[in-house]
Amino acid sequence: DTGVSQNPRHKITKRGQNVTFRCDPISEHNRLYWYRQTLGQGPEFLTYFQNEAQLEKSRLLSDRFSAERPKGSFSTLEIQRTEQGDSAMYLCASSPTELNTEAFFGQGTRLTVV
Amino acid sequence: QKEVEQNSGPLSVPEGAIASLNCTYSDRGSQSFFWYRQYSGKSPELIMFIYSNGDKEDGRFTAQLNKASQYVSLLIRDSQPSDSATYLCALGDDMRFGAGTRLTVKP
Repeated sequence: DTGVSQNPRHKITKRGQNVTFRCDPISEHNRLYWYRQTLGQGPEFLTYFQNEAQLEKSRLLSDRFSAERPKGSFSTLEIQRTEQGDSAMYLCASSPTELNTEAFFGQGTRLTVV
Repeated sequence: QKEVEQNSGPLSVPEGAIASLNCTYSDRGSQSFFWYRQYSGKSPELIMFIYSNGDKEDGRFTAQLNKASQYVSLLIRDSQPSDSATYLCALGDDMRFGAGTRLTVKP
């Protein structure tokens, strides 16, 4: 297994367009996390899944953000009607279910909204 | 809202010194605590986790947890220039992160 894979690595979009990112976790990792990170800040929690169940979603997010993990494997994060403030690095991480185990991060998708 | 606060830094220490990084949190129900390191332009990587009160040592790194005070810290002994990075505290099943502390170790 080559680790957590995120696609695309970079995305430039015009304001108002919709974008979708994909995350393929490490095989057999039940948990999957999405974060947003801007320069000089820590990863901001967006949502996380246990298998296909979305267990929590940040209240900071507007309804323009949605995430799915339909079969408990890969996940997608969609941003509708993008705004310039959405420009950031979007990180995905996965981990086994067991307590106190490491979450492994993908390389991220850098979104630029122009 | 679950809060994770880290001393904002930046923190600068000379090579060979001890670097001390601190994190406080608001959610008393948190049971697992993590320290990640993030080099510039890279994704975070785990240094260590701790879930019991007290100290946990791994090489040059020691994590300290005090649940009563809602405080977790990371000590880096014999700091090296290669330790220069941003250090992120994270906690809980939902892996909430603090803003991070940028550490620079000067030769």
